[in-house]
Amino acid sequence: EDQVTQSPEALRLQEGESSSLNCSYTVSGLRGLFWYRQDPGKGPEFLFTLYSAGEEKEKERLKATLTKKESFLHITAPKPEDSATYLCAVQAVQAGTALIFGKGTTLSVSS
Amino acid sequence: DSGVTQTPKHLITATGQRVTLRCSPRSGDLSVYWYQQSLDQGLQFLIQYYNGEERAKGNILERFSAQQFPDLHSELNLSSLELGDSALYFCASSVDSSNSGNTIYFGEGSWLTVV
Repeated sequence: EDQVTQSPEALRLQEGESSSLNCSYTVSGLRGLFWYRQDPGKGPEFLFTLYSAGEEKEKERLKATLTKKESFLHITAPKPEDSATYLCAVQAVQAGTALIFGKGTTLSVSS
Repeated sequence: DSGVTQTPKHLITATGQRVTLRCSPRSGDLSVYWYQQSLDQGLQFLIQYYNGEERAKGNILERFSAQQFPDLHSELNLSSLELGDSALYFCASSVDSSNSGNTIYFGEGSWLTVV
């Protein structure tokens, strides 16, 4: 069964304190791995798509990396506005193009 | 703004009732996906339509049904509602169902509260 596990469930950082969020996945075949940001009561906002091991993508203070079993979302020098829930999802070959989501990591950044 | 429009934003209804949630995908997108998000379950895939036809089914209950119309908007029908159906329902859309490179964009959701 295709599965996505994110850790930690919650993460508290001080402004400027860099860290990483983990997404472990088990899929029959990976079409793509997606990262989304979700603010409370809002829809998920697309951040990145990664397709193959070794691939990296960056956007402002965020950098996503992918291996054959997991993905990391690195947050460099975070600011309070980076506080949100970060969702990881996989698109599996056997499941068509629907996304299978992890439960997310809730990030709180204090100044 | 993702370009995916959902109505209504909030809905309160009683147990046993039926509601319809509506979604307009981004311009040019042929695929529509429906997801349910509750506090304990996270985002759960319900169903996908591509150009008017059902393409994939996830954890959708038999009390729920969906369709996609010729103008590509979609509706999710929830019937015989139970307290446990209270959740945030998201619609998402993408350009091409067969292309794994296309991004899936989400709407702002419809909050359903069953009392």
